[in-house]
Amino acid sequence: DTGVSQDPRHKITKRGQNVTFRCDPISEHNRLYWYRQTLGQGPEFLTYFQNEAQLEKSRLLSDRFSAERPKGSFSTLEIQRTEQGDSAMYLCASSWDTTDYGYTFGSGTRLTVV
Amino acid sequence: GNSVTQMEGPVTLSEEAFLTINCTYTATGYPSLFWYVQYPGEGLQLLLKATKADDKGSNKGFEATYRKETTSFHLEKGSVQVSDSAVYFCALSDRTLGRLYFGRGTQLTVWP
Repeated sequence: DTGVSQDPRHKITKRGQNVTFRCDPISEHNRLYWYRQTLGQGPEFLTYFQNEAQLEKSRLLSDRFSAERPKGSFSTLEIQRTEQGDSAMYLCASSWDTTDYGYTFGSGTRLTVV
Repeated sequence: GNSVTQMEGPVTLSEEAFLTINCTYTATGYPSLFWYVQYPGEGLQLLLKATKADDKGSNKGFEATYRKETTSFHLEKGSVQVSDSAVYFCALSDRTLGRLYFGRGTQLTVWP
């Protein structure tokens, strides 16, 4: 297993466009998390899944943000009608069925909205 | 609630100097504690962890001890290298909510 993979690594989009990011977690992990990181800040929790169930989504930043994990494997994060304030690094992580041992993060997707 | 407070950076040291990055936390319950490291343009990598009070996490010469009485988890290294230059994040887990909470990060720069 090569760890958590995120695609694309970088995305530049025009304001108002929709974007979708993909995350492939470590196959043995049943939890998958999305975080957002802006410059000079720590990661900010957005949402997480246990298998295909989305257990927490209240931290998604607005109704323009949505996430899916249709078969309990890979996940997608979509941002509709992007705004300049959405520019950030979007991080995906996965873990076993507990947070006791931390997460394994992917390398992130850097979004720039112009 | 849950929160993590880290000393503000940036921290600039000469090679072979001693490093301390302070981290304190507030938590509901008994969290696990972590230090993550982030190199430029990369995601976060787990550096070390401690799952209960008085545990010491260690890795690559870095150490941190889970101090429940002072709600602290300070990161230390006896002799830093240029390759240690990165951003370091302290974090705690909330088992009930199933997530990690991160501090704002501390930028470390080590000069040769």
